[in-house]
Amino acid sequence: AQKITQTQPGMFVQEKEAVTLDCTYDTSDQSYGLFWYKQPSSGEMIFLIYQGSYDEQNATEGRYSLNFQKARKSANLVISASQLGDSAMYFCAMRPNYGGSQGNLIFGKGTKLSVKP
Amino acid sequence: DTGVSQNPRHKITKRGQNVTFRCDPISEHNRLYWYRQTLGQGPEFLTYFQNEAQLEKSRLLSDRFSAERPKGSFSTLEIQRTEQGDSAMYLCASSWAGTDPYGYTFGSGTRLTVV
Repeated sequence: AQKITQTQPGMFVQEKEAVTLDCTYDTSDQSYGLFWYKQPSSGEMIFLIYQGSYDEQNATEGRYSLNFQKARKSANLVISASQLGDSAMYFCAMRPNYGGSQGNLIFGKGTKLSVKP
Repeated sequence: DTGVSQNPRHKITKRGQNVTFRCDPISEHNRLYWYRQTLGQGPEFLTYFQNEAQLEKSRLLSDRFSAERPKGSFSTLEIQRTEQGDSAMYLCASSWAGTDPYGYTFGSGTRLTVV
């Protein structure tokens, strides 16, 4: 069964420092996509970054980068220079690219990030 | 385009009542998804449509739940005979079924409380 595991229920980081949020995944598919979303208290899921399973380079989007280690099945999110506005829930998600469930996102339980001033 | 719109934002209902939620996707998106998120959990897939066809339903979607997407535009999710366990945030997302991996856009959700 496909599964996303986020082992850190909560994390604290000092403003302006970098933080890594862990994500491991389980799938037997060869082709899949990995996503990170941010969910502030307002409830909306905000897309942050995407990594395809065949992408050789780690994805980067501004202050976000994804540390993709395919052999270890991990896709950690690194946020550099944390800001107070980064305080939110962060979800790792996976999407199979083939088969009947293509297009559906499978989410982890999330990590609550708190940025301290 | 104003993004994915969900109404109402909040709904409080008594156990046993029926409720209906609406989702208006981004107009050019042909796929529409419903997810349910309970407290402390990540969203769980319920069902999705491509245009007006409902292509997949999760086993989480009991017989009390029904979703429609007439004419491939907006969608409604109805819960009949609500139970306290139905209390959750119901999220809608839309995307273009193609090669764009960034295509999922989520709405702000409808928070349902069953008392």
